[in-house]
Amino acid sequence: AQSVTQLDSHVSVSEGTPVLLRCNYSSSYSPSLFWYVQHPNKGLQLLLKYTSAATLVKGINGFEAEFKKSETSFHLTKPSAHMSDAAEYFCVVSELGGYNKLIFGAGTRLAVHP
Amino acid sequence: DTEVTQTPKHLVMGMTNKKSLKCEQHMGHRAMYWYKQKAKKPPELMFVYSYEKLSINESVPSRFSPECPNSSLLNLHLHALQPEDSALYLCASSQGEGYEQYFGPGTRLTVT
Repeated sequence: AQSVTQLDSHVSVSEGTPVLLRCNYSSSYSPSLFWYVQHPNKGLQLLLKYTSAATLVKGINGFEAEFKKSETSFHLTKPSAHMSDAAEYFCVVSELGGYNKLIFGAGTRLAVHP
Repeated sequence: DTEVTQTPKHLVMGMTNKKSLKCEQHMGHRAMYWYKQKAKKPPELMFVYSYEKLSINESVPSRFSPECPNSSLLNLHLHALQPEDSALYLCASSQGEGYEQYFGPGTRLTVT
């Protein structure tokens, strides 16, 4: 069965410094992986997706993620944090078997300090 | 247009009330989803509709009743809810297996 582990529940960075949000997945096949962001009291917005094309995936707002099969990881990075990046981030895998059920990680709360 | 809309944005209801949540998408997606999200938790899947038919019910109590009137609309009828049902209710749609889901802004429900 598929699963997702987000290794940090909270990450705090200073504005202008790099962001690293870590995600490991477990899957017996080549998965579809996503990162979503959720600002307070808002819905989820898709940041980027991996669907077995290029292993380095570029998303919106300067975020990117690298799929590493050997490490079963899909870490999210951004070179320079902005105050508006403060939010909850979810790493998600799409479950095989129809109906596109999503399996969510527990989430990482990103705080950005001036 | 990748927008999913949800109404109302906020809803306060008593335990004896009947209310409905509405979701709409015009992306031609044939799969639509209802999620429940409690504070500081990831969304939990409630229902999946595929081609306007209920495909998955994640053992949701019968006080929640979904309906898919057509391929663009999804409703969630609420009756005799409990205070612990207070949460953010999210709707999403998707092209299908392996594709991303697009989420609406959610309805913040408070049961008094």
